[in-house]
Amino acid sequence: DAGVIQSPRHEVTEMGQEVTLRCKPISGHNSLFWYRQTMMRGLELLIYFNNNVPIDDSGMPEDRFSAKMPNASFSTLKIQPSEPRDSAVYFCASRQGYSGNTIYFGEGSWLTVV
Amino acid sequence: AQTVTQSQPEMSVQEAETVTLSCTYDTSESDYYLFWYKQPPSRQMILVIRQEAYKQQNATENRFSVNFQKAAKSFSLKISDSQLGDAAMYFCAYRSASGNEKLTFGTGTRLTIIP
Repeated sequence: DAGVIQSPRHEVTEMGQEVTLRCKPISGHNSLFWYRQTMMRGLELLIYFNNNVPIDDSGMPEDRFSAKMPNASFSTLKIQPSEPRDSAVYFCASRQGYSGNTIYFGEGSWLTVV
Repeated sequence: AQTVTQSQPEMSVQEAETVTLSCTYDTSESDYYLFWYKQPPSRQMILVIRQEAYKQQNATENRFSVNFQKAAKSFSLKISDSQLGDAAMYFCAYRSASGNEKLTFGTGTRLTIIP
């Protein structure tokens, strides 16, 4: 089975530009998560969706960040405008069924904002 | 709030030997889940093993096993017969069973395998 698929794997962009990260969860999984990993803060949950509905976005750092899940097989995380401090690895993860089930991570999107 | 502590920033082990990575956590909840994730240089987060707090039996997955001490809030990972492919960052993580979906991660332990 295909795992969680993220794109792009690597992106370098200039400060002020819009960045869109994409995620395809594992087929049949009804929960989707966006995490960010930095050296300073480690792994942080940004937002998660259940059945395409955003449930908790309290981890989204500021209004420059937005996430959507228009259908069960696709989600985006957008940063506009991007800043150097947004440089990080962004992970998408998905889970099937109830909260006790395991969360599976994608390979991550490396973002560098210069 | 829950916290997860990994007190060993780095560990090393000889190939084929056994190593134990430590993890402690703090919570006031009685029902929760604990995980160990592996992050190799490729950066992908790979689930190694999971433990439900209500289960007394320690989880085992091939060469990986845990020592879950609920009263002590300790959740260590033992890797037996270490292999070169085990070299990675290892993260301990906690998640509540109450509906809060947030995975709280420790700061990680970098494991080096010495040939």
